[in-house]
Amino acid sequence: GENVEQHPSTLSVQEGDSAVIKCTYSDSASNYFPWYKQELGKGPQLIIDIRSNVGEKKDQRIAVTLNKTAKHFSLHITETQPEDSAVYFCAAPSGSARQLTFGSGTQLTVLP
Amino acid sequence: KAGVTQTPRYLIKTRGQQVTLSCSPISGHRSVSWYQQTPGQGLQFLFEYFSETQRNKGNFPGRFSGRQFSNSRSEMNVSTLELGDSALYLCASSSRPTSGSRVYNEQFFGPGTRLTVL
Repeated sequence: GENVEQHPSTLSVQEGDSAVIKCTYSDSASNYFPWYKQELGKGPQLIIDIRSNVGEKKDQRIAVTLNKTAKHFSLHITETQPEDSAVYFCAAPSGSARQLTFGSGTQLTVLP
Repeated sequence: KAGVTQTPRYLIKTRGQQVTLSCSPISGHRSVSWYQQTPGQGLQFLFEYFSETQRNKGNFPGRFSGRQFSNSRSEMNVSTLELGDSALYLCASSSRPTSGSRVYNEQFFGPGTRLTVL
């Protein structure tokens, strides 16, 4: 199976600072790594994803980096704003069925 | 394009009862996956349906079942409810199956159904 570990579990940053969340995976065959943002009372929302043929992908203030050798990928949020406060989940395919397995989540709080 | 819709949004049941939750995927999407979200266990995969066929099932007891209709709408059923079944049940849709595939398309989640078992 797949073990997706996510760190940290909680993260507080000042508005305008950067936030970094890291995930590691165990299945070397994994080739798709999405990140989701979940606000209170809502379902997770896909914010960015990366496939194994690229090392970095950026979308405005959000970027994801992938290190296949080390089997870890990270979410980077620059110039954080209070509306970035939410729980963030990483995921990776796992097992023979290639089902997405989610990390345990990171509660990000951006302090104004 | 309308997003994933789930009904009902909130549900209160008592132990031993059964419950049926409904999910309507994004128009054109034929894959529907169900997840259980709890504070202790996080997001756990229940099952996936694609074109009315169950493609994959997570590690849950047989009390949890589902089905998909020809219009891609899906239902999940939980029988003989237990206190531990209290959770947010999320449905996600995709244009391609997410199980047994090496090519993934984005998976879009609905708002969830909050089930409380008393």
